[in-house]
Amino acid sequence: AQKVTQAQTEISVVEKEDVTLDCVYETRDTTYYLFWYKQPPSGELVFLIRRNSFDEQNEISGRYSWNFQKSTSSFNFTITASQVVDSAVYFCALSEVANQAGTALIFGKGTTLSVSS
Amino acid sequence: DAGVIQSPRHEVTEMGQEVTLRCKPISGHNSLFWYRQTMMRGLELLIYFNNNVPIDDSGMPEDRFSAKMPNASFSTLKIQPSEPRDSAVYFCASRGELGETQYFGPGTRLLVL
Repeated sequence: AQKVTQAQTEISVVEKEDVTLDCVYETRDTTYYLFWYKQPPSGELVFLIRRNSFDEQNEISGRYSWNFQKSTSSFNFTITASQVVDSAVYFCALSEVANQAGTALIFGKGTTLSVSS
Repeated sequence: DAGVIQSPRHEVTEMGQEVTLRCKPISGHNSLFWYRQTMMRGLELLIYFNNNVPIDDSGMPEDRFSAKMPNASFSTLKIQPSEPRDSAVYFCASRGELGETQYFGPGTRLLVL
């Protein structure tokens, strides 16, 4: 069965600290997609990144970076030099290609990140 | 381009009333998803359409919930009769091709008194 685990419920850091949000997934499919979304206090879900199962290259986008390791079924997210505006709930999600139409997103429980000044 | 549009943004109703949530997906997207977010259960799928056809409705809680997608640009989620435990944020999302990103609407915050 498919599952996404975000073991860290809450993380608190001080501005300029680096922080890593962990994500571990379970799937039987060989083809799947992993995502990170951000949910700021205003409540919308903002897409951050998508990665397919055949692309294990790490990615960096500004202060954000992602580390995908199939060997450990992990897709971790690091924020470098955190800022107050990074305070939000971050969700990791998995989508499988179970059939021609694919599946919906399976979300982790989310990690609440609080960045203080 | 406009993103996913949901209405209403907020809804307060009394137990037993009918509630209809609406969603307009991104133009050209052929898959549409309804999710519900609660503190207890997190984000969970209710139903998923592909080319206007329901593909997976296993997340629909019970017969009080129904969803339709009469055309590629409109979907509704209806709760009848509503109950306090239906209070949640309901998100609609749409996606283009398989494996592409799902983009979410702003959500409808529903409170059933």
